[in-house]
Amino acid sequence: DVKVTQSSRYLVKRTGEKVFLECVQDMDHENMFWYRQDPGLGLRLIYFSYDVKMKEKGDIPEGYSVSREKKERFSLILESASTNQTSMYLCASSSPVGTSGRRQYFGPGTRLTVL
Amino acid sequence: EDQVTQSPEALRLQEGESSSLNCSYTVSGLRGLFWYRQDPGKGPEFLFTLYSAGEEKEKERLKATLTKKESFLHITAPKPEDSATYLCAVQGNTGNQFYFGTGTSLTVIP
Repeated sequence: DVKVTQSSRYLVKRTGEKVFLECVQDMDHENMFWYRQDPGLGLRLIYFSYDVKMKEKGDIPEGYSVSREKKERFSLILESASTNQTSMYLCASSSPVGTSGRRQYFGPGTRLTVL
Repeated sequence: EDQVTQSPEALRLQEGESSSLNCSYTVSGLRGLFWYRQDPGKGPEFLFTLYSAGEEKEKERLKATLTKKESFLHITAPKPEDSATYLCAVQGNTGNQFYFGTGTSLTVIP
C-alpha cells in the first residue's frame, strides 16, 4: 500500500519558533508538494520540488522554505512562526506529468497552531 | 491563467436524493482532471482521473464526466457516509503543478 506520511498530525508552536514539517513518500516519486489549506481558500501551493535539491516557489512561499536532500523526503520550514501560519498543511507526491496527467498522493495532514 | 471553479460551495441532500457537483476549468492543454474526497481533518483521498472530453468514470454511487470546459460529479442515491468535501483539480501542459478548486461541502441527511 503506497504511502505519504507526515511527521505530526497536530502541532502547537509559539510565535517566533522555527518549525519543521517532514514528509516522506515510499513511491519513488520525483515530484513533491507542500500546500496549506484554510477554510474558504482551498489548497494553496507553498513550494514544490521536481527533483532532489530542486525546488520552485508556489503561490504563497513567503515565510516558508523547503529542503529536499533525499528523493523520498521533503521538509517544510517555518523560519519564524507567526499566528497567520496557523493552518492545515498537506504534503503530496506524484510522478512527473507526461502526455497524461499524474494523480497526487496526499499525506494525512498536519494541523499547526501558532500561539 | 489556469483556473478551477467549483459549485455549489455547499450542498445538503436527503438520503437517496441524487444530485451533481460542478467543476469548471480553464487550462492550457489539459493533461488530467482529478476528483478527490476529503473528510474533516484528513488528507484528500483520490477518486477519479479524467483525461479527455467525453470520458466517464464510475465508482459505487459516484460518476464523473468531462467536457472541454467542465466536469460533473454525479452522486446517485447518496448515503450519509458520502458526506465530505469534494475537490477538483486540473493539470495542464505548463508544468507539474496542479490547480485546485475550493471544493464542495456535501452533507447527506438520513
